[in-house]
Amino acid sequence: QVQLVESGGGVVQPGRSLRLSCAASGFTFSSYAMHWVRQAPGKGLEWVALIAYDGNNKYYADSVKGRFAISRDNSKNTLYLQMNSLRADDTAVYYCARSGGSEILAWGQGTLVTVSS
Amino acid sequence: SYELTQPPSVSVSPGQTASITCSGDKLGDKYACWYQQKPGQSPVLVIYQDTKRPSGIPERFSGSNSGNTATLTISGTQAMDEAVYYCQAWDSSAVVFGGGTKLTVL
Repeated sequence: QVQLVESGGGVVQPGRSLRLSCAASGFTFSSYAMHWVRQAPGKGLEWVALIAYDGNNKYYADSVKGRFAISRDNSKNTLYLQMNSLRADDTAVYYCARSGGSEILAWGQGTLVTVSS
Repeated sequence: SYELTQPPSVSVSPGQTASITCSGDKLGDKYACWYQQKPGQSPVLVIYQDTKRPSGIPERFSGSNSGNTATLTISGTQAMDEAVYYCQAWDSSAVVFGGGTKLTVL
């Protein structure tokens, strides 16, 4: 079955960088666009970024544009999120998710990123 | 930027019908979908392309979308349906979520 396993979360100081990874299995990774979605503690869902199936097109929420970069390695079935210049309001659970077109078909279990000094 | 508005909370008695709305400018011209999220769990897609149910989602879940409002309807609501529900749509190559609605079954 579809599995999405995020890793790389942790505690990081403001202004520093962190890279998240998402290992995909159970489906043809290279055929699907992929998202990162985050959820601050006790808050709602916030879309972060989207990458096309082949990596050629990328889209970002205004809140992360210029600071975060989404990428993928289809040979490794892995999705990445490079997060730079982290701020306290970036603190959230970050979910890797598989796109189904206009909806998100599958979600990982999430990885917690805490930005704190 | 595009916004989707949901009521913060909805209450329903077991066995009754719950309706959760999601409002956005000309939302009916876009596809809307809905996710269910229970505490400590990842979201689960319950309705996509306005009215379609993914495999494994009970028939009591249904959706509609017209004008400026999409609606998630749960018929014969069960205690297990208590959760936060989020609507979602696309606008200008960006995914937009509603703020979420806490459904309480009491």
